[in-house]
Amino acid sequence: GAVVSQHPSWVICKSGTSVKIECRSLDFQATTMFWYRQFPKQSLMLMATSNEGSKATYEQGVEKDKFLINHASLTLSTLTVTSAHPEDSSFYICSATADRRGNEQFFGPGTRLTVL
Amino acid sequence: DAKTTQPPSMDCAEGRAANLPCNHSTISGNEYVYWYRQIHSQGPQYIIHGLKNNETNEMASLIITEDRKSSTLILPHATLRDTAVYYCIVRLSAGNTPLVFGKGTRLSVIA
Repeated sequence: GAVVSQHPSWVICKSGTSVKIECRSLDFQATTMFWYRQFPKQSLMLMATSNEGSKATYEQGVEKDKFLINHASLTLSTLTVTSAHPEDSSFYICSATADRRGNEQFFGPGTRLTVL
Repeated sequence: DAKTTQPPSMDCAEGRAANLPCNHSTISGNEYVYWYRQIHSQGPQYIIHGLKNNETNEMASLIITEDRKSSTLILPHATLRDTAVYYCIVRLSAGNTPLVFGKGTRLSVIA
């Protein structure tokens, strides 16, 4: 099956710093990637939709200036949490759609962010 | 908002079939039913999807009622590794639409 990786798998940072999370489709080209956030004991919440070569579309309530998304190639999307605060601590998960595989979405393993 | 309703939790004895129900009474004609599961602290894993016919793969079977207002995911011989949160999701197949997750069902497989 198609594989999506995320890096890093976990990160701890100080409040006020920025953190970049990478999402890569390893064996397919992903024209669309999605970013989700999951707080403890809650479901996944969609943050944004990222299309290669264009600006991301953010869900209501998600600050686009705080969560910067770049989808510069068909295999890589990045999420940068700028000026992170403790309330940004969460599990961040990306997914990718491979057009040639229909519209099945493949998920990365997630990145756990802890902001001190 | 999620268009599905699932019981919050279920238990199943190891080796027995796990039957997970899902209600999607407002599903439209061109929407598919998808099932994913999430094992603790991992990304969701695709299980199966269907439109109106029953589907089976190596992981599970999907039974969709004739009116398409509900469905059941069947894990034929549950193992301890099947303990996870199972999400039933209604989604258009055409186009790159995101998956909208509801609260899911937490399945606990008990030895």
